[in-house]
Amino acid sequence: NAGVTQTPKFQVLKTGQSMTLQCAQDMNHEYMSWYRQDPGMGLRLIHYSVGAGITDQGEVPNGYNVSRSTTEDFPLRLLSAAPSQTSVYFCASSYWGKSPSYEQYFGPGTRLTVT
Amino acid sequence: AQSVSQHNHHVILSEAASLELGCNYSYGGTVNLFWYVQYPGQHLQLLLKYFSGDPLVKGIKGFEAEFIKSKFSFNLRKPSVQWSDTAEYFCAVITGANNLFFGTGTRLTVIP
Repeated sequence: NAGVTQTPKFQVLKTGQSMTLQCAQDMNHEYMSWYRQDPGMGLRLIHYSVGAGITDQGEVPNGYNVSRSTTEDFPLRLLSAAPSQTSVYFCASSYWGKSPSYEQYFGPGTRLTVT
Repeated sequence: AQSVSQHNHHVILSEAASLELGCNYSYGGTVNLFWYVQYPGQHLQLLLKYFSGDPLVKGIKGFEAEFIKSKFSFNLRKPSVQWSDTAEYFCAVITGANNLFFGTGTRLTVIP
């Protein structure tokens, strides 16, 4: 049981380039999410999904796209990278239901630098 | 709108000192609260959570937190810290669809 995995661990992009951050989980969790972590700002939700084919925006969605074609995978796409997207990105997953709330399990993170 | 405030940005303690990290929240719905810890170079791990019932919640590694509804607080405590507790600590509240809304974090440095 690998939990939540993310690739790559590190990435350097030039402004304007596009790329996809991969996230996978093997716990059959319905809920998956992407957060970015910036110094002094904690973690902020980018996008989330409550099941295959269902995605929605979080607090800071601009510049990012997601899709959820399978339960296991939830890739995050940067369409045209900007220096403001330099950050550490965390993927998380959990069971999902309206009540009660469920513990989220986090991946190891991807450190992205945009020059 | 929801908010989570962690007023202590950086706390420095000697080993065996007692710890209390503040967390205040603002959210109009049913309150579910979490404390997560991030050790240097690692991902976030759950320390403890409050959903309902006993407002004093015990978590892993000797940590506990008390939910005080009248004060909108969920402070984290540990009676005696160790060097291995050096980490960043995040308070969070659930907001709809299981989305976590985080505070800005408190960095704890424990001096041996």
